[in-house]
This record gives sequence, C-alpha cells and structure tokens, in this order.
Amino acid sequence: AQSVTQLGSHVSVSEGALVLLRCNYSSSVPPYLFWYVQYPNQGLQLLLKYTSAATLVKGINDFEAEFKKSETSFHLTKPSAHMSDAAEYFCAVSPLLSGYQKVTFGTGTKLQVIP
Amino acid sequence: NAGVTQTPKFRVLKTGQSMTLLCAQDMNHEYMYWYRQDPGMGLRLIHYSVGEGTTAKGEVPDGYNVSRLKKQNFLLGLESAAPSQTSVYFCASSYKRRLQDYGYTFGSGTRLTVV
Repeated sequence: AQSVTQLGSHVSVSEGALVLLRCNYSSSVPPYLFWYVQYPNQGLQLLLKYTSAATLVKGINDFEAEFKKSETSFHLTKPSAHMSDAAEYFCAVSPLLSGYQKVTFGTGTKLQVIP
Repeated sequence: NAGVTQTPKFRVLKTGQSMTLLCAQDMNHEYMYWYRQDPGMGLRLIHYSVGEGTTAKGEVPDGYNVSRLKKQNFLLGLESAAPSQTSVYFCASSYKRRLQDYGYTFGSGTRLTVV
C-alpha cells in the first residue's frame, strides 16, 4: 500500500521568499516520487521526479526536492518565489515495480505568492 | 505534437442524461487513465487501461464506463449522470516502461456540471 500526505492545503509566501511545500509518503517498496504543478484551468505538468539516481532532484523553474528516506519525505523548495509560481502543487508516489505502476496523488497544496 | 487532448472542455448535463468524454493522445503511450479532481480530494483514479482493448477499475469506478478500442483513444462514459459526478475530469497517459523518466502526461481537463 502507498499513500502521500501533503501538509498544508494552502501556503502563502512573499515574492522573493523561500518556497517550501511538504510531502511525506508511505510505501511498502522503494518508491518513485514526483511533483506536479497545475496552473489555473490547466492539466498537471511534471515538475520533477525522484527515481533513486540522486537524492537531490532539480526540476524546472528552479524548483528542487530532496528525498529523505529516514524521514519518508520529499519536500519541494525554491529559493525565491515568483508571481508566476502561483499554482497548485501535487506530490505523487509510485512503487518501484515492473508492470503497471499505480500512481497515488496527494491532495494538493495551493501556493499563493504575495507581491 | 498535441500531447493529450480532451473533448469537450466544458459540459452541463441534467440529472439522468448520458455523455461520453473523449481522450486522444498522439505519443504512442501504452497506458491511459481517467481521473476526477474534486476540491480537497486531489486526483482519484476512475478507470485505467494498459493497452488496446483492456480496461480496469480504479478507486472510484461506480457510475462510469470506459472503452479503449484504439490505442490512442480512451473514452469515459456516464450512462445516467448524477449531481455527485460534478467534477473536473482529467485524462492522462504514460509509457509502459518509462514512468520513471516521463511520468504522466495530462490533458487540460473537462469541467462537468450535473444539475
């Protein structure tokens, strides 16, 4: 069984401030982990992914996430928020298995960037 | 490439009416999925398909049917719409063996209101 918990359904930051969106997962086998971003009235887009090659993963638009096995966490960060980062962010987990791999999504965190 | 295309983008149905949502992908992906997105609940998997002619139930399949007669198309049907099916529906697709490299590709969604 696998699950994802995103702490905080809404996060507000000032423009230029650090962005930190939290994600904790549970998985009975080693996981793949993903962050997706959803801009208003659009579908989800892949932001970055962890696939066991490196614990610190860099994605698009200066976002990065660090896989911490001991904490079962995969938090998303960005050093300096831009207005264009306002969106909803979803963490997702999938087991590292062959064949069909079910992806479980978190409930999402809406990021508000204040000018 | 168009990626994943969903039609229609918006629809209002009366209770008891039927409709079909169409998803088309041009990336030669083997797997396709239908999700619904509701506030505070993230994305929930309705049905999925691992290949042409095969479909399977996800977390919330009741009230929906699907078909995948061609590899590039995945149809979601509502036989008798209910207000509880008011939601935003997303189609997604992925490679069979490359989930860790590409994740899912999502369509832009269909906003359905059942009155």
